[in-house]
Amino acid sequence: QSVVTQPPSASGTPGQRVTVSCSGSTSNIGSNSVHWYQQLPGPAPKLLIFSNNQRPSGVPDRFSGSKSGTSASLVISGLQFEDEADYYCATWDDSLSAPVFGGGTKLTVL
Amino acid sequence: EVQLVESGGGLVQPGGSIRLSCAASGFIFSDYAMSWVRQAPGRGLEWVSGIRGSGSSTYYAGSVKGRFTISRDNSKDTVYLQMNSLRAEDTATYYCAKDRHLGVTGESDYWGQGTLVTVSS
Repeated sequence: QSVVTQPPSASGTPGQRVTVSCSGSTSNIGSNSVHWYQQLPGPAPKLLIFSNNQRPSGVPDRFSGSKSGTSASLVISGLQFEDEADYYCATWDDSLSAPVFGGGTKLTVL
Repeated sequence: EVQLVESGGGLVQPGGSIRLSCAASGFIFSDYAMSWVRQAPGRGLEWVSGIRGSGSSTYYAGSVKGRFTISRDNSKDTVYLQMNSLRAEDTATYYCAKDRHLGVTGESDYWGQGTLVTVSS
């Protein structure tokens, strides 16, 4: 049971806008940056968003992140079939003195 | 080009030990923290351990503290994970990941392909 929680699943149709949420507490999201990872079936995770809302080079601007209080969100605009993957949020937890991952959200593109 | 190549995984008996290695290239190794992250079959990601770029500080998840030891050899651009007193629940693919900073933050911009550790009799 992670200290940072995500909904286990989300879905959308091509072209739609989908939001994946990540909820924590003052000891993690509330006081530290949030990062998002995408894991396609098979390969290793890929950094999608860092420092709440920054995109590494090569990540399409369809992907955006935000943080407010003890929650964070990943928004995918213009959903595409290739976006079907597992999405994980991550942050540092001051109480644990360690990084923590959310449980992951499986995104299905219908 | 940044590359992280893990090795050392395999089948080990409960209570046994194994050492994972991760050879890095394509960046100044000592300038960045490194972490090990695992994923049990069909499950999510779990951060396991991290080490500062200089090697001066190490961090562990509660589930492995006292059993696993992370270390690095900056002269060989390699990070290690010594895993002792292994349990069935340690069965997972173990990924080596490069942090974006000198200290461990969980902000990992490059990942290896993973190495599978199976703990079973």
